[in-house]
Amino acid sequence: AQSVAQPEDQVNVAEGNPLTVKCTYSVSGNPYLFWYVQYPNRGLQFLLKYITGDNLVKGSYGFEAEFNKSQTSFHLKKPSALVSDSALYFCAVRDRNGGFKTIFGAGTRLFVKA
Amino acid sequence: EPEVTQTPSHQVTQMGQEVILRCVPISNHLYFYWYRQILGQKVEFLVSFYNNEISEKSEIFDDQFSVERPDGSNFTLKIRSTKLEDSAMYFCASSEGGVGGSGANVLTFGAGSRLTVL
Repeated sequence: AQSVAQPEDQVNVAEGNPLTVKCTYSVSGNPYLFWYVQYPNRGLQFLLKYITGDNLVKGSYGFEAEFNKSQTSFHLKKPSALVSDSALYFCAVRDRNGGFKTIFGAGTRLFVKA
Repeated sequence: EPEVTQTPSHQVTQMGQEVILRCVPISNHLYFYWYRQILGQKVEFLVSFYNNEISEKSEIFDDQFSVERPDGSNFTLKIRSTKLEDSAMYFCASSEGGVGGSGANVLTFGAGSRLTVL
């Protein structure tokens, strides 16, 4: 069975500082991995994905994520946080060996202080 | 940019009533999904739909729920005999592909339909 863990309910960073939002996953096969962001009263928006190839994936708004197979992690990072990055971030996984469902983590609220 | 549209944005209903939530997925997408989110918390998978049939469903998606694509553009979620615990934000999503491919699997979400059961 697929599962995603986001160990932090909230991450607080100062504007201009680097940010990391953590994610670990569990799938029986090889994963597709995703990050989505949700702003208040909005649907989830796709940020980036890992399918294959380079372990460092670059996405929208300056975000990037690193796939680490040995640690089964896919942490989201950004070198310099903006106040406008404050939102709810969801890590998601899908088993590429079958199934139609993408499973989401519990979400991590990012708060960037000016 | 194409988007997934959902109606209504908010529905209030009495316990035991039936509700239908509607979604218009992106026109060239082939896979359709419903998710729900309770109180801004975890996003839970309900069901996926492809080729006019359910392709996968979660344990949440019991006989109370049904989905339909009645006219080739709309994708509906029906909840029969609503319960208090059905109160949630329901998100429709669609994707271009299901498995494989560089462009596959990315879900495009609608803005959601908030269901309040009293």
